Amino acid sequence: AQRVTQPEKLLSVFKGAPVELKCNYSYSGSPELFWYVQYSRQRLQLLLRHISRESIKGFTADLNKGETSFHLKKPFAQEEDSAMYYCALMVNSGYALNFGKGTSLLVTP
Amino acid sequence: DVKVTQSSRYLVKRTGEKVFLECVQDMDHENMFWYRQDPGLGLRLIYFSYDVKMKEKGDIPEGYSVSREKKERFSLILESASTNQTSMYLCASSSADNSPLHFGNGTRLTVT
Repeated sequence: AQRVTQPEKLLSVFKGAPVELKCNYSYSGSPELFWYVQYSRQRLQLLLRHISRESIKGFTADLNKGETSFHLKKPFAQEEDSAMYYCALMVNSGYALNFGKGTSLLVTP
Repeated sequence: DVKVTQSSRYLVKRTGEKVFLECVQDMDHENMFWYRQDPGLGLRLIYFSYDVKMKEKGDIPEGYSVSREKKERFSLILESASTNQTSMYLCASSSADNSPLHFGNGTRLTVT
């Protein structure tokens, strides 16, 4: 069953504009959430996780348990942010990640 | 830095062939995973392993099996490849509960 929903397949913004990639989850336990990014021709890599509460490459994500959301935000998008972004939820007692279908972000000049 | 190495970047096989995808990690990680990545479907978990000789089914194990004889190596086996198994296959590893996954570069398998 799909536990992570990313409603947008493609998001296109202009350079310098704010960007928000949406992620909603369904999980009865205490969620452990991540954002992964895949740049063109590169391996999938961790961008950030909610428990570390840090900002990576200007991106932040806040866990909202009331709305069951973990949206990824950046105030000013850069062209190098163009990539595929996946939201993921840790399930199965901390072993595996359940991924959303991904959002392709395109930042145009 | 963690290195997860998948033996082949591209692979072309015929329907009905037995296919082995190999993955090796060099950081003594306990957990290893196989996902397939398809456009519009994201990443789907096939199998994972939390110890040598241990394996657990993921969301889409049908048509696949795995082998973990050594801690550093996790193999994905397609017993009889079919065209619907054409996909990008990603291997990953992690050190313990709740630690981030580290991914390999992927193997793009085409079954004709």
